[in-house]
Amino acid sequence: DVVMTQTPPSLSVAIGQSVSISCKSSQSLVYSDGKTYLHWLLQSPGRSPKRLIYQVSNLGSGVPDRFSGTGSQKDFTLKISRVEAEDLGVYYCAQTTHFPFTFGSGTKLEIK
Amino acid sequence: EVQLVESGGGLVQPGRSLKLSCAASGFTFSNYYMAWVRQAPKKGLEWVATISTSGSRTYYPDSVKGRFTISRDNAKSSLYLQMNSLKSEDTATYYCASLYLRCFDYWGQGVMVTVSS
Repeated sequence: DVVMTQTPPSLSVAIGQSVSISCKSSQSLVYSDGKTYLHWLLQSPGRSPKRLIYQVSNLGSGVPDRFSGTGSQKDFTLKISRVEAEDLGVYYCAQTTHFPFTFGSGTKLEIK
Repeated sequence: EVQLVESGGGLVQPGRSLKLSCAASGFTFSNYYMAWVRQAPKKGLEWVATISTSGSRTYYPDSVKGRFTISRDNAKSSLYLQMNSLKSEDTATYYCASLYLRCFDYWGQGVMVTVSS
């Protein structure tokens, strides 16, 4: 199985600051079609997960452009610029290149 | 508005069965792969099953293979998860989710399954 290693496990940030979350996979996430199926999700407190970014860098519908995703092969980063209060929650990376699909263990973002 | 509404959860004894349902609306259900994802209490997300648009292809992790069966009824815009031989480690909130470009797109509110004697 592909192991997704997310760091840091938690972050505390002031409103307006920028943060980055890392996600590293144990195998390349490039699929046979040439695409990379690495995605980022946010689970706000008490809520269901919500898609933020799909295929490394594509913003989901309605997601503010303060969020951005970069990376390739096995090394990926989610950046949040100008953090807002509504950004708190647990961020997960997920890979759907290989079966079984797997998730990172999550990064909890707290607001100072 | 896209809606996914799960139902069928509850308390069940180890070894017994339970069937979850997910009613979809607001999108053309038959055009999308669908999935179940679970989250044990205070834990992370775990993929449970995926089904193709027609239902002809299904995929599972080893942790549930042979015990869980995903199915769908496109005429009813509904997704199902038949869970047999339940174990305590299956205790979790179960979410149904649509898949778009192989990404978990829309999610339901989740339904709790507790496996305990």
